[in-house]
Amino acid sequence: QKEVEQNSGPLSVPEGAIASLNCTYSDRVSQSFFWYRQYSGKSPELIMSIYSNGDKEDGRFTAQLNKASQYVSLLIRDSQPSDSATYLCAAYNTNAGKSTFGDGTTLTVKP
Amino acid sequence: EAGVAQSPRYKIIEKRQSVAFWCNPISGHATLYWYQQILGQGPKLLIQFQNNGVVDDSQLPKDRFSAERLKGVDSTLKIQPAKLEDSAVYLCASSFKQGFVNTIYFGEGSWLTVV
Repeated sequence: QKEVEQNSGPLSVPEGAIASLNCTYSDRVSQSFFWYRQYSGKSPELIMSIYSNGDKEDGRFTAQLNKASQYVSLLIRDSQPSDSATYLCAAYNTNAGKSTFGDGTTLTVKP
Repeated sequence: EAGVAQSPRYKIIEKRQSVAFWCNPISGHATLYWYQQILGQGPKLLIQFQNNGVVDDSQLPKDRFSAERLKGVDSTLKIQPAKLEDSAVYLCASSFKQGFVNTIYFGEGSWLTVV
């Protein structure tokens, strides 16, 4: 089992819809979680972080964390074609000082 | 604030040749990482430095890969001799930690093609 698992996709949504990206992690001591966006041919770019159970909103993006279920998600509202990219989930274990990345979910937003 | 700088951006070499990549982290970031990313996969940690000490190099193929971070700032990753399967993007990243939140920032990457 991978430490951080994501559905590889591709996930396709129409423009204006809500895109929902999911991530599960196996290490219960992971304390903070990150979502990165990676456009084709580019490096990962930080979108947002979350470390408390519940929702965290930043513009059109909402991260959700459920530590009991070891589940993190990213919602993108009013999806735009420019959101088409691979989204990477990462978990940070403070005790080990180690960050682990998933393999990413590819999102395509169709005009 | 300047981001993580990497060079060269692109490199094509023949197998069995050597290559070196350079990285300058964000000012003040004590932790520096080298990741390897193969197409379709997430970043795989090769080595992690805290200042100029190695924290984790468990996935670094030490028979061919080496890395150093002199004076706790810049870092160099070397591959010698290169194999075809080393074709990948080599991402340098740096981070700062606030409490239990460790935020990693990536450079633009160094794209290696081994032919």
